[in-house]
Amino acid sequence: GQNIDQPTEMTATEGAIVQINCTYQTSGFNGLFWYQQHAGEAPTFLSYNVLDGLEEKGRFSSFLSRSKGYSYLLLKELQMKDSASYLCAVRGYNDYKLSFGAGTTVTVRA
Amino acid sequence: DSGVTQTPKHLITATGQRVTLRCSPRSGDLSVYWYQQSLDQGLQFLIQYYNGEERAKGNILERFSAQQFPDLHSELNLSSLELGDSALYFCASSVGEAGNEQFFGPGTRLTVL
Repeated sequence: GQNIDQPTEMTATEGAIVQINCTYQTSGFNGLFWYQQHAGEAPTFLSYNVLDGLEEKGRFSSFLSRSKGYSYLLLKELQMKDSASYLCAVRGYNDYKLSFGAGTTVTVRA
Repeated sequence: DSGVTQTPKHLITATGQRVTLRCSPRSGDLSVYWYQQSLDQGLQFLIQYYNGEERAKGNILERFSAQQFPDLHSELNLSSLELGDSALYFCASSVGEAGNEQFFGPGTRLTVL
């Protein structure tokens, strides 16, 4: 199975940078995903890492270290609309099941 | 708008009843996934279909079943409903079997009274 841990809440100021950490313990690994979910809405895909290193996509970047079972999502130049829950998910090796963490609620303050 | 549609948006029913949730994937997507999201359990994977065949199964209860039809739409059947089944049920779709990028529908909010 998968055990995924991420902080419950984070608060940051508009224009700042926030880093959301995710650690996982897994019996098999075939990719780590980040999704954004605004309150009452569906999750939307942000990023996918399967190899170690940093993937950059505009204001958002995601990092993976497979040996440490660790990932982070970096949000730069925070905007009010970035206030949302950020879900870390791990995909198993022999199947395509996604196991989600409980999510990190990010609040951006003016 | 992700291109994934789900009906109905809201469903209120009583314990012991049976309901069917419907999902139409994005045009061209062959995989459909079902998820349950509740406040205490978070987002939980239920089941995946790829091109009509069951591909992966999560902790889906025996009271729940799903299928994907030849036109690729999918239905999730929930029976003998219990209060604890109240949740938001999402359908997602992806082009391939691996689901590197899943597109989620708006969800069906089920309330069991």
